[in-house]
Amino acid sequence: KQEVTQIPAALSVPEGENLVLNCSFTDSAIYNLQWFRQDPGKGLTSLLLIQSSQREQTSGRLNASLDKSSGRSTLYIAASQPGDSATYLCAVRDDYKLSFGAGTTVTVRA
Amino acid sequence: EAGVTQFPSHSVIEKGQTVTLRCDPISGHDNLYWYRRVMGKEIKFLLHFVKESKQDESGMPNNRFLAERTGGTYSTLKVQPAELEDSGVYFCASSRTGTYTQYFGPGTRLTVL
Repeated sequence: KQEVTQIPAALSVPEGENLVLNCSFTDSAIYNLQWFRQDPGKGLTSLLLIQSSQREQTSGRLNASLDKSSGRSTLYIAASQPGDSATYLCAVRDDYKLSFGAGTTVTVRA
Repeated sequence: EAGVTQFPSHSVIEKGQTVTLRCDPISGHDNLYWYRRVMGKEIKFLLHFVKESKQDESGMPNNRFLAERTGGTYSTLKVQPAELEDSGVYFCASSRTGTYTQYFGPGTRLTVL
């Protein structure tokens, strides 16, 4: 059974600082790993998807790395802004279903 | 392209009542998934449809939950009778066959009193 852990559970940083969010999973036999953002009361917005054969994906200020053998992924957000405040969820895909971590709640202080 | 929509956005019911949640996937997406997040827990998979067929319902908590997808379009998730522990947010997601990204709806917040 896949277990996904996200550390830290919450993070507060001043605007402009880089963010580092960690995700670990127990079973390395995954198809891909997806990072989502959730704003309060809203649905999940997909940020980045990394295939199991890839090492990283980049989109703008976001960069996600994947080390499948060690069961880890890291999401980097450069030069954080108050608009980056949200909960970030990591999910791994086993076959077709996603297994989620509990999320990291990020607050960026202006 | 319209996203995944869910109705209602909120539902408050008494224990023992019945509630039906609806999900409309993105047009052309054959795969439809239900997930839920109960208080303080991670989002958990409930079931997966491919068109109108249930591919996997291993995450359904018990037989008080019934999901349908008539005609392979929208899906409903019925809880009958509802219990206090069913409170949470129910998410629906869809994806196109052969692709990897699941697109999520805004969720339905269910409160059972």
